[in-house]
Formats: sequence, structure tokens, C-alpha cells
Amino acid sequence: DTAVSQTPKYLVTQMGNDKSIKCEQNLGHDTMYWYKQDSKKFLKIMFSYNNKELIINETVPNRFSPKSPDKAHLNLHINSLELGDSAVYFCASSRGTVSYNEQFFGPGTRLTVL
Amino acid sequence: DQQVKQNSPSLSVQEGRISILNCDYTNSMFDYFLWYKKYPAEGPTFLISISSIKDKNEDGRFTVFLNKSAKHLSLHIVPSQPGDSAVYFCAAWRGGSEKLVFGKGTKLTVNP
Repeated sequence: DTAVSQTPKYLVTQMGNDKSIKCEQNLGHDTMYWYKQDSKKFLKIMFSYNNKELIINETVPNRFSPKSPDKAHLNLHINSLELGDSAVYFCASSRGTVSYNEQFFGPGTRLTVL
Repeated sequence: DQQVKQNSPSLSVQEGRISILNCDYTNSMFDYFLWYKKYPAEGPTFLISISSIKDKNEDGRFTVFLNKSAKHLSLHIVPSQPGDSAVYFCAAWRGGSEKLVFGKGTKLTVNP
């Protein structure tokens, strides 16, 4: 039983394409997150949703658009992909709205933009 | 602006010995500090946390020490086991910000 799952695990695409990454959690958590781990290995928050409402929206290009159809899902859509978008993207979830609560991470999606 | 710094990219220790992973931070307003462990091709998993009002928290082989005056925390693993080999991330949280700030991680290798 995977707690937080992401699809796809690997994504290789050309510059300028539009792609989506899906995330699902079966933990019954209220809050979900998207993180980006870049080539320098920093893990940085991008977005956070609580019960389908956006609560954190970091300085991320508006080519990135999260969508939460229900509280168990948080998908990430990226338009007009650029080389600098190459990174590992992690989805996470936690109980409640306070992000120091234990966060459960998915396995990551490695995005490579050529 | 690196608010959370892990200055050692890697650490190698012998099985059975103590592993000490260090983390420094710049923002004295952080309220909670957390350690996450990450194996290759997996997401980070929560290990242990400490509130800024405490100076020590222990969970089995893992102990986190917080020195607020030095803005420094450390994770001690005793005894170290080969299965502890992973990347360890330090993270910090400040009330009102609603987000975790992570360090770059330290890769721990425990040699049999």
C-alpha cells in the first residue's frame, strides 16, 4: 500500500512541451505539497494545498499550475517547459495545516527537459 | 539565501560507531527543526524533530541536540548501522510561514 504515489517516475521531454505530474495520497491527510529538488540538491517548497485550497504559493513561474481535484490528489501541470525545469519533483502530504507535522513524501518524479 | 546550512556534503563512519550530522541556521525565529532521511530513488522520510524550546530529543538510536545560542543542531546516531547509509536533510519551520526550509543534505555512509 503506497502512501503517497506519483506518476510518472521519469519524464523526458522537449523544451516547449506541456506536461503533468500526478500525485495521490491514501493517508487521509488534509494538506499536500509540491517540492522541487534542483541540481544543487536543495529541496524547495513550491505549492501547498489544504482541503483543495492553495495556502502556499512560492515564487514559482506561472507556467507551473497545481490542481487539486480533491484532497487526496494534487497534480502539477507545467507549460512551455524550459531546460531549467529539469529537476526531481516530490509530492508530499501531512495531517493538518501546520507543515512541521511529519510530511510523507512520494518517490519523486525525475523530469529531464532536452 | 540559505537559511539552513549543512556544510558537510558527506560523512563516512564505521558500523557501531557514532555518526554526528550537523546543521546550522541563520533565522533565530525558527520554531521547529526536523531531520529527514532519504534513500536513493525514494522520497525523504521523517526521522526526528525538536521544538526550539527544547535542547534535546531522543528516539531510540537517534538523538537531536539543539544549541540555540549557536544556531546549531546535530543528529547523533548511535550505534551506526549500514542501513543508516542515506542522505540526511535538516529542515526548519517558523510559525506563520507555513513552510519547511531544507538544507542541502549530508550523505552518510556507514561501512560494515
